[in-house]
Amino acid sequence: GENVEQHPSTLSVQEGDSAVIKCTYSDSASNYFPWYKQELGKRPQLIIDIRSNVGEKKDQRIAVTLNKTAKHFSLHITETQPEDSAVYFCAAYEEPEIRLIFGQGTELSVKP
Amino acid sequence: NAGVTQTPKFRVLKTGQSMTLLCAQDMNHEYMYWYRQDPGMGLRLIHYSVGEGTTAKGEVPDGYNVSRLKKQNFLLGLESAAPSQTSVYFCASSYRLGGQRYYEQYFGPGTRLTVT
Repeated sequence: GENVEQHPSTLSVQEGDSAVIKCTYSDSASNYFPWYKQELGKRPQLIIDIRSNVGEKKDQRIAVTLNKTAKHFSLHITETQPEDSAVYFCAAYEEPEIRLIFGQGTELSVKP
Repeated sequence: NAGVTQTPKFRVLKTGQSMTLLCAQDMNHEYMYWYRQDPGMGLRLIHYSVGEGTTAKGEVPDGYNVSRLKKQNFLLGLESAAPSQTSVYFCASSYRLGGQRYYEQYFGPGTRLTVT
């Protein structure tokens, strides 16, 4: 089955800097890769996703890149703000089981 | 439109006790999932359902049972609680439209369970 590895487990940046979180996956059949943000005490919420027919996707200050050959994908946050502080999870969609397999999470801290 | 709701929000159990967590969604979603979240472990799938009357095992199913008797509800049961089941439990749902599966999962607010 699918296995997703996420790095780093913690990341601290200064406000205004960029942050990059990386994930690798094992199943070459996976075709959908979402990123979720979870604020302290809250539920995970989708912030961006990418499908396997696309190499990069942007939404304002966040972007995701996908390298299917190497089986890795990354989240990029530019001009970080204190409200970006949260735990971020990557995931890969496993077919035909119709389920997501999550990475272990990255705790991002943005210092003002 | 309440989205995905979970009952209860908090619960403390003693070892060996049983309980049922209820997940309800009002979005007419086909697929429903139960996860547990532990520090440093991410979100691990316990059981899931791809339709009313169907269930399947996830990554960590031992010690849990589930039922999906109605499309909108997904129940997670602990028959004999153990301290290792202390965790935050999240329910999620997702949907399809026609022949296309839409993969975004919508999460409930979570249930914090402590087993002493």
